[in-house]
Amino acid sequence: NAGVTQTPKFRVLKTGQSMTLLCAQDMNHEYMYWYRQDPGMGLRLIHYSVGEGTTAKGEVPDGYNVSRLKKQNFLLGLESAAPSQTSVYFCASRLGTAGNTIYFGEGSWLTVV
Amino acid sequence: KQEVTQIPAALSVPEGENLVLNCSFTDSAIYNLQWFRQDPGKGLTSLLLIQSSQREQTSGRLNASLDKSSGRSTLYIAASQPGDSATYLCAVRPEGGYQKVTFGTGTKLQVIP
Repeated sequence: NAGVTQTPKFRVLKTGQSMTLLCAQDMNHEYMYWYRQDPGMGLRLIHYSVGEGTTAKGEVPDGYNVSRLKKQNFLLGLESAAPSQTSVYFCASRLGTAGNTIYFGEGSWLTVV
Repeated sequence: KQEVTQIPAALSVPEGENLVLNCSFTDSAIYNLQWFRQDPGKGLTSLLLIQSSQREQTSGRLNASLDKSSGRSTLYIAASQPGDSATYLCAVRPEGGYQKVTFGTGTKLQVIP
């Protein structure tokens, strides 16, 4: 069972560079999420999707874009990376409104220098 | 705005001890509350989920209780083991706001052999 898979696991970027984080789930889940986790601040929702072709803003969406072209994939893009985006990024998925258990990926460590 | 607090931030106990982790939230209009475990360098693993209509949930040595009116939940771990060492987070989902889950910052537990 792969569950929720994130790539890459580690990345160092220079300020101004762009990159994309890929999240893939093999559980046929409708809902997918991108969170960032920072010391002392807990997990904060960046963007989410309630189904293929849909995206919506979360709590801290600025500086990020997302796409959900296929149901199993949810991409998080940084167009022009900033040091404030240094964080650990987690993707998560959930079956739907009736399926309350949320499954997380193992995280992507991003450092912007 | 919902605020979720977990105190203490860190806890160290000898092996075999029973312990209680606390989670408090400011808005009692919740749909459910979920407890997660996070190991270093890993994602979050769901432990227990309590619906707003429930008072407690049990899984093995874990028991989670919920008191909506007082805005509190506790996670009880019986006969702690070194393998229980991890960070424990609680997350609250509001009524009608399926995406607006608020996470606590976690309690880092160390069980000493």
